[in-house]
Amino acid sequence: DAKTTQPPSMDCAEGRAANLPCNHSTISGNEYVYWYRQIHSQGPQYIIHGLKNNETNEMASLIITEDRKSSTLILPHATLRDTAVYYCIVTFGFQKLVFGTGTRLLVSP
Amino acid sequence: NAGVTQTPKFRILKIGQSMTLQCTQDMNHNYMYWYRQDPGMGLKLIYYSVGAGITDKGEVPNGYNVSRSTTEDFPLRLELAAPSQTSVYFCASNPGQTGGYTFGSGTRLTVV
Repeated sequence: DAKTTQPPSMDCAEGRAANLPCNHSTISGNEYVYWYRQIHSQGPQYIIHGLKNNETNEMASLIITEDRKSSTLILPHATLRDTAVYYCIVTFGFQKLVFGTGTRLLVSP
Repeated sequence: NAGVTQTPKFRILKIGQSMTLQCTQDMNHNYMYWYRQDPGMGLKLIYYSVGAGITDKGEVPNGYNVSRSTTEDFPLRLELAAPSQTSVYFCASNPGQTGGYTFGSGTRLTVV
């Protein structure tokens, strides 16, 4: 599985967009980019995933660069409940998720 | 639909004791996983299963055993508990597509 690099922490004001970057320069052609988040000590929650096209769902948008070496998770209107650790994971298929230490996002009033 | 259910939620074990962490899912998912998470760290894969009767090791399998006799259940067995096994354990399942995993709420285990 390819490795990812994320900033350890980020801050965001409530109501603003939160843009969380992820570098995955060694990603291979059949690997997907997944995003999960973990709120406090709960189990990780699936957010979104993509292969090469940009994706959007009710929670977030995922922007993947054309060379696929990096991506950005966008929470369009962050709320206090979005405070969590966000994990960017690159993997083939569905067999294994390898978690790094993620980005700790703090949303403040 | 209960999703992925883990029991117990909390447990304190003495060194050398054994226990089984239970995990069951009602989504008919073929793939199931056990992860552990130490304080301030990401999750590490212990064991996984691609279907009933099939299991395989992950990154940190030592000190653990699993079985998968049914699609629904994937128990994790700790033999001879050690302080290094103090952690939060998460079970997860996946339907076998390129979609999201569903995680349980975790079991917090302390070995003293």
